Amino acid sequence: AQRVTQPEKLLSVFKGAPVELKCNYSYSGSPELFWYVQYSRQRLQLLLRHISRESIKGFTADLNKGETSFHLKKPFAQEEDSAMYYCALSGDNAGNMLTFGGGTRLMVKP
Amino acid sequence: EPEVTQTPSHQVTQMGQEVILRCVPISNHLYFYWYRQILGQKVEFLVSFYNNEISEKSEIFDDQFSVERPDGSNFTLKIRSTKLEDSAMYFCASRASGGLSSYEQYFGPGTRLTVT
Repeated sequence: AQRVTQPEKLLSVFKGAPVELKCNYSYSGSPELFWYVQYSRQRLQLLLRHISRESIKGFTADLNKGETSFHLKKPFAQEEDSAMYYCALSGDNAGNMLTFGGGTRLMVKP
Repeated sequence: EPEVTQTPSHQVTQMGQEVILRCVPISNHLYFYWYRQILGQKVEFLVSFYNNEISEKSEIFDDQFSVERPDGSNFTLKIRSTKLEDSAMYFCASRASGGLSSYEQYFGPGTRLTVT
């Protein structure tokens, strides 16, 4: 079975402060990890994925297999980063379904 | 940029009625998915579809649910006899078949289903 846990439902920071959204996973095989973001009144969209090791909008995430974590980080939060963030895992099943965490709402205050 | 579209945006139905939720995936994508999100809960996988057949389904996807790709462009989710607990936001997603872009699932805006 695969499971994704995001321990914080809400994270509130001031503009310019560092941000870390936590994600832990449980999976017996080799997972693919993703962060999806949902801005207000918009659809879910991919923010980044661990295999491409990229930085999008200043966000980075490193897969730590020892700690089974995939935390999302940004050194200086911006007001436009306020959104719902979902960590998701895709295993080696046939359909490549995504298993989502419960989501963390990030609020960046001015 | 191509997008996944879903209709209707909001569907209200009475318990026991059949509903069909419609999705138009991105045109060159080959894998299709339905997810749902009950208010205040996680996004949950329902079913994946490839090559005109179901490739995987969750425990939620019981005999009351079915999917179809009737005409090569639409991808539908049918709930035969709706229950109150089927009230949720239903998301359709699609992805490409190869290359790095195949890792990304593109989501539609969702259909909010309210069962009364």
